[in-house]
Amino acid sequence: QVQLVESGGGVVQPGRSLRLSCAASGFTFSNYGMHWVRQAPGKGLEWVSAIQSDGSKKYYADSVKGRFSISRDYSKNTLYLEMNSLRAEDTAVYYCARDDCTSPSCFPYWGQGTLVTVSS
Amino acid sequence: QSVLTQPPSVSAAPGQKVTISCSGSSSDIGSNSVSWYQQLPGTAPKLLIYEDDKRPSGIPGRFSGSKSGTSATLGITGLQTGDEADYYCGTWDSSLSGGVFGGGTKLTVL
Repeated sequence: QVQLVESGGGVVQPGRSLRLSCAASGFTFSNYGMHWVRQAPGKGLEWVSAIQSDGSKKYYADSVKGRFSISRDYSKNTLYLEMNSLRAEDTAVYYCARDDCTSPSCFPYWGQGTLVTVSS
Repeated sequence: QSVLTQPPSVSAAPGQKVTISCSGSSSDIGSNSVSWYQQLPGTAPKLLIYEDDKRPSGIPGRFSGSKSGTSATLGITGLQTGDEADYYCGTWDSSLSGGVFGGGTKLTVL
């Protein structure tokens, strides 16, 4: 069965960095685009970033562009989100999601989420 | 502020029908298909509708989706107390080259 397991969240000071991981199993990782979506406490969903199945194209929300970097390791079946220059407003639960649609995106599979808290 | 506009809340009695609207623009809903998600407290979102009106396997026929122009609608019939949740619409924005979600709608089954 499809499994997505995020890790790497925690408490970090403003301006510092953190790397999130999303371990994928139960499917052919290289066949699917992958996304990161976050949710601040008590708030709605916010799309963060996406990477195509072959890694050739990457996309970012304006709110994280230039600070966050998405990547994937096919040998480890793992998706990453490198987060730099973190701000208080980046505090959220971060979900990874598999993209099953080509027109253009839908997410039938999500991880359980990992909480990132940016605070001094 | 979300790119897609949803009503903050809707409510209806058990057994009744409710609709949730999602309004966008020519670069998002007007150009791309819409998905709908249900989120229960403390859990990850669950896909209810994809490509405007398709239901994944396992999603009851009580849930339906439609789209017209730059707006989309989620319909839920035969409301149950277990349907109380937050509902989100989502799509891609071709101008932003990024995903977008609505602000979410809290459904209360009275």
